[in-house]
Amino acid sequence: QTVVTQEPSFSVSPGGTVTLTCGLSSGSVSSSHYPSWYQQTPGQPPRTLVYSTNTRSSGVPDRFSGSILGNKAALTITGAQAEDESDYYCVLYMGSGIWVFGGGTTLTVL
Amino acid sequence: QVQLVQSGAEVKKPGASVKVSCKASGYIFNSYAMHWVRQAPGQRLEWMGWINIGIGNTKYSQKFQGRVTLTRDTSAKTAYMEMSNLTSEDTAVYYCARDVKRTISTWGQGTLVTVSS
Repeated sequence: QTVVTQEPSFSVSPGGTVTLTCGLSSGSVSSSHYPSWYQQTPGQPPRTLVYSTNTRSSGVPDRFSGSILGNKAALTITGAQAEDESDYYCVLYMGSGIWVFGGGTTLTVL
Repeated sequence: QVQLVQSGAEVKKPGASVKVSCKASGYIFNSYAMHWVRQAPGQRLEWMGWINIGIGNTKYSQKFQGRVTLTRDTSAKTAYMEMSNLTSEDTAVYYCARDVKRTISTWGQGTLVTVSS
């Protein structure tokens, strides 16, 4: 079974730039996987940040951007703020009506 | 605005079943599929399956095939997730979320299901 991989944790300084990635245990991520990214804080439902690789959801600050980098999907935060300290999840559409979430990345801003 | 309101927390004994509801408003219910996702305490999000609201067909993660049933009542604009033969490992928050163009988009507030003897 294909596993969706994410960095378990990442740290960024306030005002800095960080890129989180979303890969596959076998193969490359492409736009046909419709990669989406979610932000989640404790006790809250996920918030959709980016979908279809690089489309920001309504109301999401433009410091969040999505892309394909090499063989992975990527979420870049440019000018990180303290409020960006959260868990971040990606999900990929695997075809045949199946989605798989990554393991999530805990982002620390310090 | 699009809103998904889920039913309240449940406490169940091992071996029991649970049925969680998700009432939609602010959009044409029949026109969008609904996903179900769960999250055990301190764990990652886990996709369970989805239902095409318009025609009622479903697709399940292999892990939940045979133990989870997704249904909908179009007149009530409500989707349902029923899980049988619960164990302590099913203790989790269960979310419904609307699909928009193959995006798991708007999320419900979540329903905590606790399985304990």
